[in-house]
Amino acid sequence: KAGVTQTPRYLIKTRGQQVTLSCSPISGHRSVSWYQQTPGQGLQFLFEYFSETQRNKGNFPGRFSGRQFSNSRSEMNVSTLELGDSALYLCASSLIGQGETQYFGPGTRLLVL
Amino acid sequence: DAKTTQPPSMDCAEGRAANLPCNHSTISGNEYVYWYRQIHSQGPQYIIHGLKNNETNEMASLIITEDRKSSTLILPHATLRDTAVYYCIVRVNYGQNFVFGPGTRLSVLP
Repeated sequence: KAGVTQTPRYLIKTRGQQVTLSCSPISGHRSVSWYQQTPGQGLQFLFEYFSETQRNKGNFPGRFSGRQFSNSRSEMNVSTLELGDSALYLCASSLIGQGETQYFGPGTRLLVL
Repeated sequence: DAKTTQPPSMDCAEGRAANLPCNHSTISGNEYVYWYRQIHSQGPQYIIHGLKNNETNEMASLIITEDRKSSTLILPHATLRDTAVYYCIVRVNYGQNFVFGPGTRLSVLP
């Protein structure tokens, strides 16, 4: 089976812009989770989607949002970008979530200038 | 906060076994121990997980103490490609996702 794919792999934006990142889970997986990784804060959970519904949410401001489509693909959006949003954004999928083994994609590296 | 404690860094000679310890003294009875690793700037890679019995797969072995308060990940014959940050994670509870701590940076030396 193909693994988790994320697009784009690299992105450069300027402050105040918005960005949309895409994640395609492993075929058959219905849960998609998003994480942010920065040198200072490490890997932090953003949110999880299952059956097109946000099931869990981490401690991030409302500028960070996401959605999931009927084919389980997911997007996350960050509005009004700040310099501190520069990070590696990781997507992980699992069959039904809820603590199951998660399989990560390669990530999207976002640089905000 | 992560429920695990790991040494920040370790070295291992190529070809030797790498033994990575993890303390999880507050683990609950229904919580699993998961191990992931992250090679520089890539997504974390699942290695192994277990509840109370020792587990082995093609990548590694997981040894969990009888009281479940600690565990050891064993890479039997470390190679240079095993250089990575290794994360030990206790699955918090149902409805939550994995909480990653800072992990152990393993350097495999030639």
